[in-house]
Amino acid sequence: GGIITQTPKFLIGQEGQKLTLKCQQNFNHDTMYWYRQDSGKGLRLIYYSITENDLQKGDLSEGYDASREKKSSFSLTVTSAQKNEMAVFLCASSDWGTSAETLYFGSGTRLTVL
Amino acid sequence: DAKTTQPDSMESTEGETVHLPCSHATISGNEYIYWYRQVPLQGPEYVTHGLQQNTTNSMAFLAIASDRKSSTLILTHVSLRDAAVYHCILRGGTGSKLSFGKGAKLTVSP
Repeated sequence: GGIITQTPKFLIGQEGQKLTLKCQQNFNHDTMYWYRQDSGKGLRLIYYSITENDLQKGDLSEGYDASREKKSSFSLTVTSAQKNEMAVFLCASSDWGTSAETLYFGSGTRLTVL
Repeated sequence: DAKTTQPDSMESTEGETVHLPCSHATISGNEYIYWYRQVPLQGPEYVTHGLQQNTTNSMAFLAIASDRKSSTLILTHVSLRDAAVYHCILRGGTGSKLSFGKGAKLTVSP
């Protein structure tokens, strides 16, 4: 088995601040994802990466940057935090290209912007 | 745009069998049906998936209609630990992305 580790678990930022969220996986998966979940809503894909140094925009990429410098890690940057923003950011990984592709998720980073 | 339709919520009692419905009337021939569940303060957890045939594993039984326009996740002898939001989602061809909706909240009473 493996695990997805997201850091930090809780993140409090100020309006306009640049904030970075980190994700590590030890599944040796090729593909990694960043999703955003707002209270009571579904997950929206921000960025994904199918291999090291690859980046693909999801449905909600505006306002975010991502970096995949190693196969095992994928980081997400909120380029300018919005006042009163509250959301959970979920990282996931999977084996790209397999017919039974399954996503494994971390427990999330909870962002609050004051 | 949501491609699946689920009830917002369902209720059950411990020990019961629960049928969680999902409608996907516009499903394409190469789309798999996936089910994930999510408890508070955790990311979604894989439950099961299928393409055409019914499938079963230690967590659930997935019944897929013959026309594939609907499916039902069946949980037997539910416990309090089965209380979660259950997401029914479609995945297209190899390597395509998963899109999650709000899901259906299952409440289990003692």
